[in-house]
Amino acid sequence: EVQLVESGGGLVQPGRSLRLSCAASGFTFDDYAMHWVRQAPGKGLEWVSGISWNSGSTGYADSVKGRFTISRDNAKNSLYLQMNSLRAEDTALYYCAKDIVATIHERDAFDIWGQGTMVTVSS
Amino acid sequence: DIQMTQSPSSLSASVGDRVTITCRASQSISSYLNWYQQKPGKAPKLLIYAASSLQSGVPSRFSGSGSGTDFTLTISSLQPEDFATYYCQQSYSTPPVSFGQGTKLEIK
Repeated sequence: EVQLVESGGGLVQPGRSLRLSCAASGFTFDDYAMHWVRQAPGKGLEWVSGISWNSGSTGYADSVKGRFTISRDNAKNSLYLQMNSLRAEDTALYYCAKDIVATIHERDAFDIWGQGTMVTVSS
Repeated sequence: DIQMTQSPSSLSASVGDRVTITCRASQSISSYLNWYQQKPGKAPKLLIYAASSLQSGVPSRFSGSGSGTDFTLTISSLQPEDFATYYCQQSYSTPPVSFGQGTKLEIK
């Protein structure tokens, strides 16, 4: 079964850090680009970051650039998001999503999604 | 950055109706437009990619069309399970990938 399972969310104070993980199974992980997409409570979808199959290319939304770092470990079929200097506006459900292509910035479409992990930034 | 605007923001319709949702890009995006369906408490689901290609497993009552700046998602005959929120997403000029604000389809 094709599956993405996120973990690592929780309640964190403003200014602190959190690392999200996404475990992939059921497909050849290193054939595809991967992304993080978030959704604030009651709001729409916001792309956060993407990474190409070989980590050769990454991209970030302006709202997280310089604070978040995406990475992947193809040997472990895992995707990560290191989130530093967290702000209240980062509060959201964070989804891991599989691209239909290997390289980001080329026809990105997200065909497999995890169930999401909730991040709440509050004092 | 490319802005995506969907209309309407919400829509009431009945089972069996034909429904059209529109997505407009702030500049030409060729055919790099995808559509997703999201039900409450669930992750989004890819319906249409590259403006008009039906994702595997998606019922044929869903169709997409358009190119350049104007795109449509059509549901030919609404079924009870189609009541959800729909999002468009451009992948022409990235980063950033951008989504529309969503269209909530409700039962009349």
